[in-house]
Amino acid sequence: GDSVTQMEGPVTLSEEAFLTINCTYTATGYPSLFWYVQYPGEGLQLLLKATKADDKGSNKGFEATYRKETTSFHLEKGSVQVSDSAVYFCALSDLRGGGSEKLVFGKGTKLTVNP
Amino acid sequence: DVKVTQSSRYLVKRTGEKVFLECVQDMDHENMFWYRQDPGLGLRLIYFSYDVKMKEKGDIPEGYSVSREKKERFSLILESASTNQTSMYLCASSLGALGTEQYFGPGTRLTVT
Repeated sequence: GDSVTQMEGPVTLSEEAFLTINCTYTATGYPSLFWYVQYPGEGLQLLLKATKADDKGSNKGFEATYRKETTSFHLEKGSVQVSDSAVYFCALSDLRGGGSEKLVFGKGTKLTVNP
Repeated sequence: DVKVTQSSRYLVKRTGEKVFLECVQDMDHENMFWYRQDPGLGLRLIYFSYDVKMKEKGDIPEGYSVSREKKERFSLILESASTNQTSMYLCASSLGALGTEQYFGPGTRLTVT
């Protein structure tokens, strides 16, 4: 079945460092791809998404490009801040359920940014 | 803004109790979902619903049931709580159109003793 693999954490960076969190997927068809973020004590919120190959999603300085040839959707940010400390989840839409679209999530990567 | 609310942030129940977790969304979304989140396992889908009174099993439905009597409300029921159901429970909703995102509630941390 469809699956998402993202890099194991935790990841610890200093403020202003460059961030990459790798995400690869296995899917039949052409899923939409998402990055969600979970700040401490909160639910998940959408960070960015891409719905077709070569699309680039971006938000709050984060970017990810839908690469069909490498089945990847890596998350990047040029200069992280302490406030970016959170758990990041990569996800894809699962279209197997007929008209009902579900999400398949990776296991999450915990990011800590130190001042 | 879409708002998904869950009835409790923290809940402590005893083994064998019947537990109800309530979720309400205010954006007329078609789809609603229940997940549990455990360290190292990420999010796992328990049940989802794409219409009133409709439900589908997710990846880990054993020990759970759901109810959706109204479009805005989706309840998760633990028929007889067990200690291995101690977890964070997250509710989400979505429009149901292709490629649309899910909106999550703040979560309920359930402890079964």
